[in-house]
Amino acid sequence: KAGVTQTPRYLIKTRGQQVTLSCSPISGHRSVSWYQQTPGQGLQFLFEYFSETQRNKGNFPGRFSGRQFSNSRSEMNVSTLELGDSALYLCASSPRLAGAQETQYFGPGTRLLVL
Amino acid sequence: AQSVAQPEDQVNVAEGNPLTVKCTYSVSGNPYLFWYVQYPNRGLQFLLKYITGDNLVKGSYGFEAEFNKSQTSFHLKKPSALVSDSALYFCAVRPLDYAGGTSYGKLTFGQGTILTVHP
Repeated sequence: KAGVTQTPRYLIKTRGQQVTLSCSPISGHRSVSWYQQTPGQGLQFLFEYFSETQRNKGNFPGRFSGRQFSNSRSEMNVSTLELGDSALYLCASSPRLAGAQETQYFGPGTRLLVL
Repeated sequence: AQSVAQPEDQVNVAEGNPLTVKCTYSVSGNPYLFWYVQYPNRGLQFLLKYITGDNLVKGSYGFEAEFNKSQTSFHLKKPSALVSDSALYFCAVRPLDYAGGTSYGKLTFGQGTILTVHP
């Protein structure tokens, strides 16, 4: 079974621009979560989607948003990019709504560089 | 609020020796604990998890972890390290949200430990 795929793998943007990242979960998985990884802050939870609804959200500004489609694929969008948004953005999927016991499987990430 | 601490930024071991990567946690109620590994330019790869039951959990690639409730620890171990085990290791916790009954999605990660296995 194919793993979680993320596109694009690398992205360079300039401050003020916006960006959209895409994630395709493992086939049959219905929950998608997004995380940001930076050297300074480590891994931080952005949000989780299930059945096209955001179920949980981390402590990020409103510039960060996401959505999920009926086929469980998800996109996240960052508007008005700032230098500090440079990070590796990881998508994770799980079969069901990620309750406490669910294992999340991660994609390879999208590395975003903001200049 | 829940938190995870990995007290060692870096662990160095010789190939063939046992390895331990330490993790302690703080959470209200029952913790659900996970270990992930990240290789350069790759995403996180699931190793093992503790939900309930036996305190010794066995996972992928010969790794195991011991849950110790009294010490609030979940250390990752391997009896004989390989050079290919060199990577960045993350411990993570997901607690129950009593108000909602379930904590959706959010994994709280430690800062990570760089494991280097020398030939």
